[in-house]
Amino acid sequence: QKEVEQNSGPLSVPEGAIASLNCTYSDRVSQSFFWYRQYSGKSPELIMSIYSNGDKEDGRFTAQLNKASQYVSLLIRDSQPSDSATYLCAVNMDAGNNRKLIWGLGTSLAVNP
Amino acid sequence: DAGVIQSPRHEVTEMGQEVTLRCKPISGHNSLFWYRQTMMRGLELLIYFNNNVPIDDSGMPEDRFSAKMPNASFSTLKIQPSEPRDSAVYFCASSLLEMNTEAFFGQGTRLTVV
Repeated sequence: QKEVEQNSGPLSVPEGAIASLNCTYSDRVSQSFFWYRQYSGKSPELIMSIYSNGDKEDGRFTAQLNKASQYVSLLIRDSQPSDSATYLCAVNMDAGNNRKLIWGLGTSLAVNP
Repeated sequence: DAGVIQSPRHEVTEMGQEVTLRCKPISGHNSLFWYRQTMMRGLELLIYFNNNVPIDDSGMPEDRFSAKMPNASFSTLKIQPSEPRDSAVYFCASSLLEMNTEAFFGQGTRLTVV
């Protein structure tokens, strides 16, 4: 069973702090990893994609990938109340004859002013 | 571009009725995905099309579910007959290249079957 696991939270951080969101996956040969943000009642939107080991930075967001340990994380620096949302991890995994995106259930983040 | 457009936004129907959800992908995108989202199971891929051809429908829960993509700008997801356990938010998404590029989601259809 291919899986993507996330801590459901809620993760609560004060405004201005660093929020750290983690995701583990079961397929060793996965090559593509995505972090989406979903506000309550809205659709998911892409925050970051990462394909190689190491860090990838985009503004206040940093994605970290460690394929040997099979985890991918998302760091949000200087967290703002507007970052309060559910963060979904998605991993491109082998599924028989095709590859498909497998999604975690998401981590709920609350940034307190 | 207006993004991925789904209709209706909300649908309430009685058990046993047919439900049809509609999606217009972003122009130029080659891949279209239908997802279902529930609290318990999260986002589940139901089916995806590449260049209008169904590639993987292994996520379609039962024969009651069917999807079509008659052309590059339109897709439907049909449930017949509907059951209360089908109640969920159904998202359509499109992307340029299958699974390795950003998927853009529509606003979703909230389906309630009573």
